[in-house]
Amino acid sequence: GAVVSQHPSRVICKSGTSVKIECRSLDFQATTMFWYRQFPKQSLMLMATSNEGSKATYEQGVEKDKFLINHASLTLSTLTVTSAHPEDSSFYICSAKERQTYNEQFFGPGTRLTVL
Amino acid sequence: GDSVTQMEGPVTLSEEAFLTINCTYTATGYPSLFWYVQYPGEGLQLLLKATKADDKGSNKGFEATYRKETTSFHLEKGSVQVSDSAVYFCALSDSWGTALIFGKGTTLSVSS
Repeated sequence: GAVVSQHPSRVICKSGTSVKIECRSLDFQATTMFWYRQFPKQSLMLMATSNEGSKATYEQGVEKDKFLINHASLTLSTLTVTSAHPEDSSFYICSAKERQTYNEQFFGPGTRLTVL
Repeated sequence: GDSVTQMEGPVTLSEEAFLTINCTYTATGYPSLFWYVQYPGEGLQLLLKATKADDKGSNKGFEATYRKETTSFHLEKGSVQVSDSAVYFCALSDSWGTALIFGKGTTLSVSS
């Protein structure tokens, strides 16, 4: 149980376009979802926290107009990178937390974004 | 604020060697502690966890003990395998169960 999927797994886009990444909890209801960004050979940096039905809370230094997060249901959150630029190229990972499991998060497999 | 410090890598070992990856933390309250593993090109998988002082988490031969007196959660394995080659992240979650705070990760490379 507790499987989280992400789609797409890889995406290549041109500079200036927008890219949407989906994060789904497949077999549980995720009250909270988190979006992380991972640079090559570095740790995960939390970008934002989203609770179902409410606005996402962004970490300091993360542009909310650049990285749009929508948590429309208990099983789906989306991250849209708007007007992507090469510096947005990164590995984006989501995680989800069940209502019943107090502090354990389940991670998606990640999405590799490359902006040309 | 809360933080996690891991030993710098990479760690290179021969198969069947003993592994220790050090992790220390700074936190207020009573955090939960985790070790995650990331295989090449994949997302993170929970390896083990401990939610209170003196708890020992264990999985797949890996162990870590929550030491409040030394604020540490060192990862150990008695005999590593080539398949253990991956990046290992130590992390904590605060008392309220909010987002995880990760260490920088330690790359382990095991050769046969």
